[in-house]
Amino acid sequence: GAVVSQHPSWVICKSGTSVKIECRSLDFQATTMFWYRQFPKQSLMLMATSNEGSKATYEQGVEKDKFLINHASLTLSTLTVTSAHPEDSSFYICSARTETGDTEQYFGPGTRLTVT
Amino acid sequence: GQNIDQPTEMTATEGAIVQINCTYQTSGFNGLFWYQQHAGEAPTFLSYNVLDGLEEKGRFSSFLSRSKGYSYLLLKELQMKDSASYLCAVQDSWGKLQFGAGTQVVVTP
Repeated sequence: GAVVSQHPSWVICKSGTSVKIECRSLDFQATTMFWYRQFPKQSLMLMATSNEGSKATYEQGVEKDKFLINHASLTLSTLTVTSAHPEDSSFYICSARTETGDTEQYFGPGTRLTVT
Repeated sequence: GQNIDQPTEMTATEGAIVQINCTYQTSGFNGLFWYQQHAGEAPTFLSYNVLDGLEEKGRFSSFLSRSKGYSYLLLKELQMKDSASYLCAVQDSWGKLQFGAGTQVVVTP
């Protein structure tokens, strides 16, 4: 149980375009989802916390107008990278916490974004 | 804020034991996690400590001392497949995880 999927697993886009990444909890309802970014050989950095039905809370230094997060249902959160630039190329990972307030976060498989 | 330190890299031979230390300074503490991450993949959960002491799970054990802001992950009977990055992460009072930079463990034959 507690499976989280992400789509797509990898994407290549051109500078200036927007890319949407989906994060789904497949067998549980997730009131809270988290979005992380990981650059090569670095650790995961939390970008934002997404709660179902409310606005996401962004970490300091993360542009909320550039990284749009929508958590429309208890099983789906989306991250849209708007006007992507090469420096946005990274590994984006989501995680989800169960509705019961479980301490553990369940991670998705990640999405590799390359902006050319 | 939170500061989490762990060694960058450790090398050990197959069958040996390796201990990865993690020290942290936090403004709120609600448990410490250890994850394993292979290159290009998402982290996988290894252990969770919220109380002081040792948690053992097969070949992996994790220890926590809250008063010292210290944890370690012990990997026994190392196998080649254990070559990976090991991430120490502290959870704050709001459930957010702050990750350390990760320790790359290299297992040699």
